[in-house]
Amino acid sequence: QQQVKQSPQSLIVQKGGISIINCAYENTAFDYFPWYQQFPGKGPALLIAIRPDVSEKKEGRFTISFNKSAKQFSLHIMDSQPGDSATYFCAASNYIQGAQKLVFGQGTRLTINP
Amino acid sequence: KAGVTQTPRYLIKTRGQQVTLSCSPISGHRSVSWYQQTPGQGLQFLFEYFSETQRNKGNFPGRFSGRQFSNSRSEMNVSTLELGDSALYLCASSPNLGTGELFFGEGSRLTVL
Repeated sequence: QQQVKQSPQSLIVQKGGISIINCAYENTAFDYFPWYQQFPGKGPALLIAIRPDVSEKKEGRFTISFNKSAKQFSLHIMDSQPGDSATYFCAASNYIQGAQKLVFGQGTRLTINP
Repeated sequence: KAGVTQTPRYLIKTRGQQVTLSCSPISGHRSVSWYQQTPGQGLQFLFEYFSETQRNKGNFPGRFSGRQFSNSRSEMNVSTLELGDSALYLCASSPNLGTGELFFGEGSRLTVL
């Protein structure tokens, strides 16, 4: 119940296209859903995050769509650029009794072809 | 503001040895979490510390331990190293508990031979 399932494992998109990565969760107690971006040799960096009281959040070319009833959320990258090539992780967490644990998806390696 | 600093960045150990990894959080951040990253298992939560107290622990054996000092700096220790402990160990800091926003360091890459 603590798992977050992410798909696809790898994705190749042409420059200017839309990249879409999907995640699903089981634990309805999760109340925070961030996406992290990781470049080779670097630690993950927070990209965008959403809480379940909204269905969509947009920051520049990055949009999270959230479907609470389906327990799914997705990352959309509009006008994908070669610089977006990285590994993307979705995650989910909740804060209970003074403790918080972020559960990560398995990651999606995104390649944007020029 | 300086980011999360982890030392050492790379290290090689042999089976049976122990290792200590260090993490300096962003100034003012009081919560420190540790994660193990491997190609097969992805990012796995190890533990979280706040105000020198372990607040949460992942599903790792007792060979994995950690602590946090009064200045919020943290260390993790792995004893009796096994080949399967080879991984990137990531430290992340957060201003407080429950904010959900983690700032990761670049990690310490451990190779066990």
